Amino acid sequence: AQTVTQSQPEMSVQEAETVTLSCTYDTSESDYYLFWYKQPPSRQMILVIRQEAYKQQNATENRFSVNFQKAAKSFSLKISDSQLGDAAMYFCAYRENFGNEKLTFGTGTRLTIIP
Amino acid sequence: DTAVSQTPKYLVTQMGNDKSIKCEQNLGHDTMYWYKQDSKKFLKIMFSYNNKELIINETVPNRFSPKSPDKAHLNLHINSLELGDSAVYFCASSQGFGMGTDTQYFGPGTRLTVL
Repeated sequence: AQTVTQSQPEMSVQEAETVTLSCTYDTSESDYYLFWYKQPPSRQMILVIRQEAYKQQNATENRFSVNFQKAAKSFSLKISDSQLGDAAMYFCAYRENFGNEKLTFGTGTRLTIIP
Repeated sequence: DTAVSQTPKYLVTQMGNDKSIKCEQNLGHDTMYWYKQDSKKFLKIMFSYNNKELIINETVPNRFSPKSPDKAHLNLHINSLELGDSAVYFCASSQGFGMGTDTQYFGPGTRLTVL
C-alpha cells in the first residue's frame, strides 16, 4: 500500500523568508501524481501545486515550487517570500495514475509565519 | 458561486442518532468522494462514486451509507452514531475516473460532533 510521510509536524518561518516542507512517499508504481494541499484555519482544502511523476521538470506556481526526486521518492514544497496568509496546515498527497483515484495524504505540517 | 458545497457545516448530535450530510458540486464533474479528517487532522478516503456508481469503499463500517441520486450530488448517511464518528467530513469532486492529472476540489467540510 502507498504511504505518505511528512516528518515535520510543525515549522515556522519569518515573514518574507523561504521555508521548505518535506514529504516522502512509498510506492511500487512508476506513474502517479503528487499534490500539496493547504488547509488554513477556515478548514477549506486548497490545492497549492501538483506534479506528474513522468515529468522531470519541477512544478512551480508563483511563490510555490517543488523539489521532486523520483528515485528518492521525495517531494518537498518550497515557499518563497513567505506571507502571513501562508499560515496553514500543509498536506502532501499521492494518487495513482489509473485504477485508483483516491488521494493518500500525509499527516500534515503546521506552518506558522512570524511577523 | 461555490464549486463544492456541503450542508450542514456543523452538526452536533447525540450518540445513537442517525444523521445525513449533503454534498453538491456545480463543476460538471463525474466523480465525487467522501474523506474523513480525524482529531489529529489525518485525512482518509471513505468512498468514491463515478457517475452515480460506487467505485471505492475503504472498509468503512456499514453504518455509513453513501447515496448518489445524480452525478452532481453525493450524500452521506450515518446510522447509530458513535463517539468515534466525531470528525470533519469532506466532500470532493474531480472531472472523471482515470483522467490523469485530475485535481480533486474539496468542499468546506462538515464538523460532526457526537455527544
